[in-house]
Amino acid sequence: SQQGEEDPQALSIQEGENATMNCSYKTSINNLQWYRQNSGRGLVHLILIRSNEREKHSGRLRVTLDTSKKSSSLLITASRAADTASYFCATDARDMRFGAGTRLTVKP
Amino acid sequence: EAQVTQNPRYLITVTGKKLTVTCSQNMNHEYMSWYRQDPGLGLRQIYYSMNVEVTDKGDVPEGYKVSRKEKRNFPLILESPSPNQTSLYFCASSFQGANEKLFFGSGTQLSVL
Repeated sequence: SQQGEEDPQALSIQEGENATMNCSYKTSINNLQWYRQNSGRGLVHLILIRSNEREKHSGRLRVTLDTSKKSSSLLITASRAADTASYFCATDARDMRFGAGTRLTVKP
Repeated sequence: EAQVTQNPRYLITVTGKKLTVTCSQNMNHEYMSWYRQDPGLGLRQIYYSMNVEVTDKGDVPEGYKVSRKEKRNFPLILESPSPNQTSLYFCASSFQGANEKLFFGSGTQLSVL
């Protein structure tokens, strides 16, 4: 079963706008990770947030984690066309489980 | 360069013809895993390995085999491929396990006719 579930399934924005994606999960976790996938290519790790952390930043990325709601969000600020990709959350549980992803399109 | 190498990148085969997709990592990682990606279903784990000679089933292991005789290699074997195994396959590795950052290969697009 998939542990992480991303929302929305697809998101289209203009360059310069912020993009927010959400992830919900079902069981207790040690950490949650976000990955990016450019069309048909391998996933690339973006950021890892541990269960005792509430927020983490990396460049234009901001991730929050709410373990009481079993949810996380990924915010990409000042988006660029190059951010067009699918974004996945993954939780550890017994082993790494991925959701179906959010397809982000950033229009120039 | 630290990487996970999968081969081949593309593979077209026929039903029942055994095939192997190779995966190799040069980072001395203990944990390796195989995923398949299908439209609308995201990534689903096939098998994973915590270390040499230690493998375990993921969510969708039926029709697949793996082996981990050496730390760096984790081949995926399809003994008798069927059309429902047409998919995009990814190998991934991490230093010690599911709690850590995964490094992914570039993927293998498999078509079973």
